[in-house]
Amino acid sequence: DVKVTQSSRYLVKRTGEKVFLECVQDMDHENMFWYRQDPGLGLRLIYFSYDVKMKEKGDIPEGYSVSREKKERFSLILESASTNQTSMYLCASSFPYRNYGYTFGSGTRLTVV
Amino acid sequence: AQSVTQLDSQVPVFEEAPVELRCNYSSSVSVYLFWYVQYPNQGLQLLLKYLSGSTLVKGINGFEAEFNKSQTSFHLRKPSVHISDTAEYFCAVSWAGGTSYGKLTFGQGTILTVHP
Repeated sequence: DVKVTQSSRYLVKRTGEKVFLECVQDMDHENMFWYRQDPGLGLRLIYFSYDVKMKEKGDIPEGYSVSREKKERFSLILESASTNQTSMYLCASSFPYRNYGYTFGSGTRLTVV
Repeated sequence: AQSVTQLDSQVPVFEEAPVELRCNYSSSVSVYLFWYVQYPNQGLQLLLKYLSGSTLVKGINGFEAEFNKSQTSFHLRKPSVHISDTAEYFCAVSWAGGTSYGKLTFGQGTILTVHP
């Protein structure tokens, strides 16, 4: 069964900490995405990667960075966590074809205290 | 910019009643259309997609959706819902052109709550 695996389901971090959220896919997908999901705001794209070491900013990149050193792994980094980054974070991957759609991970619920 | 609008943020229904979740998108140029479902504390799963051909698309769990090009809509329907259909539903669109890399634009989501 094809999978997108996010390393943590629940995470609690302190304000100011550097936080790493990891995502691994086993489908040889070129594209990988990080979204955050908040009630009433839907899914908002943080960053997108279309190849190893390639990345594009999404709609809300401020306060985040990403790393893609290997095709299967896409990491989201919160440089200095703040309480307004408390959210559900979803990773997704896909082939670069319009008709393919995404495969999502189960999500990481991050709480910053 | 292209946009996707889900007209209802919340839809409450009783069990065994029919339901329609509405989705409109901003442009009638070549599109591929998707519906995803998210159960509580889970990621999103693909329900169905429209690529071409018949405008009525059938998906998993008894859901279906109809592509209407003239109205730029892709509404999701189920003739008889179950408690287990309680979830959030997202419409998504992939547009032709540009360096889209197959990116999807998502609607804001509709929370379907099925009451006994």
